[in-house]
Amino acid sequence: TQLLEQSPQFLSIQEGENLTVYCNSSSVFSSLQWYRQEPGEGPVLLVTVVTGGEVKKLKRLTFQFGDARKDSSLHITAAQPGDTGLYLCAGPAGSYQLTFGKGTKLSVIP
Amino acid sequence: DSGVTQTPKHLITATGQRVTLRCSPRSGDLSVYWYQQSLDQGLQFLIQYYNGEERAKGNILERFSAQQFPDLHSELNLSSLELGDSALYFCASSVSDGYGYTFGSGTRLTVV
Repeated sequence: TQLLEQSPQFLSIQEGENLTVYCNSSSVFSSLQWYRQEPGEGPVLLVTVVTGGEVKKLKRLTFQFGDARKDSSLHITAAQPGDTGLYLCAGPAGSYQLTFGKGTKLSVIP
Repeated sequence: DSGVTQTPKHLITATGQRVTLRCSPRSGDLSVYWYQQSLDQGLQFLIQYYNGEERAKGNILERFSAQQFPDLHSELNLSSLELGDSALYFCASSVSDGYGYTFGSGTRLTVV
């Protein structure tokens, strides 16, 4: 079973601060996805990283896929209250479905 | 609106009862996935359907079953409900394997 471990589990920061959250596995993944989930809603896909070492930017969010394709990180610059939510990483498990990490719950305090 | 519609949004029922959760995938998506989300376990894969046929099974209990109909909507049936079945149930769809999921807003099931 391919497991994804996310850290930290909880993160509370002030508006304007920078932060990084991590997604790690002992297994190699062909790709990894990052989702953000807000209370009462389903997860929303933010990005898919496919190539080892790949870096993708989405406004103030920077996603990196590890060279060995076993880990990924999400860096947020100058966090805003609108960034509050549960950040989930996910990767293919078996042929068809995704396995998800348990997520990092981020709170950005105004 | 993500394009994936789940009903009902909330459901409260008693132990031992049976409920049906409904999902309409995003237009054009052939794959439907069901996930259970609880505080301690996170998102757990239950089952996948592709164009009407069961494609993959995860940690789905024998008391749970699902199907996908010709119009591609899917239903998840939960029977002999127990307190521990209380959770958020999400449906997601994708155009094909390996693509990102589009999730619905979920059904919050409370078993009392």
